[in-house]
Amino acid sequence: DAGVIQSPRHEVTEMGQEVTLRCKPISGHDYLFWYRQTMMRGLELLIYFNNNVPIDDSGMPEDRFSAKMPNASFSTLKIQPSEPRDSAVYFCASSSTSRQETQYFGPGTRLLVL
Amino acid sequence: SQQGEEDPQALSIQEGENATMNCSYKTSINNLQWYRQNSGRGLVHLILIRSNEREKHSGRLRVTLDTSKKSSSLLITASRAADTASYFCATVSGNTPLVFGKGTRLSVIA
Repeated sequence: DAGVIQSPRHEVTEMGQEVTLRCKPISGHDYLFWYRQTMMRGLELLIYFNNNVPIDDSGMPEDRFSAKMPNASFSTLKIQPSEPRDSAVYFCASSSTSRQETQYFGPGTRLLVL
Repeated sequence: SQQGEEDPQALSIQEGENATMNCSYKTSINNLQWYRQNSGRGLVHLILIRSNEREKHSGRLRVTLDTSKKSSSLLITASRAADTASYFCATVSGNTPLVFGKGTRLSVIA
């Protein structure tokens, strides 16, 4: 298995632009998680899905952030409009049967908003 | 909210020495997991220990859990330069998903 795939790996954009991050979970995994990692706040859970349905989005910082999972093999995290404080590394992770068991992380997308 | 808190924040040791990292948490847990993150990479799962377990081993890794003290430790024996990474504990409580601590940065000097 290729593992969790994220794209792009790096993104540099200007404030106000729309940013779309993409994730392909491990085939057969029922849970998908989006995290944000910064030096100041560490690793924060933004939102997670179970069988393509958003379960908890309480970690999404603002209405500028949205996430979708149109099918079992694809999810997007969108920031519109982006701001410099959104600069961080965004990780996608998937888990096979439970939100409480082992999670498999993608390589992350390093986002820089100028 | 962050549940687990790792200690120390940073640790530097010589190759061949043992490295011990600790994780303390506040509320009762279902399980506790340790992950490793190499620079510029995603997190990699190392070990999961459940609340009714006290110790688990995986290769050179040993994890202990003391639920009475609400703490866990990760021991890496005979460390190697390749063990240089950040190590995170993640706790699972109630019906919620993992909550990660801020990690311990381990440097193993050859």
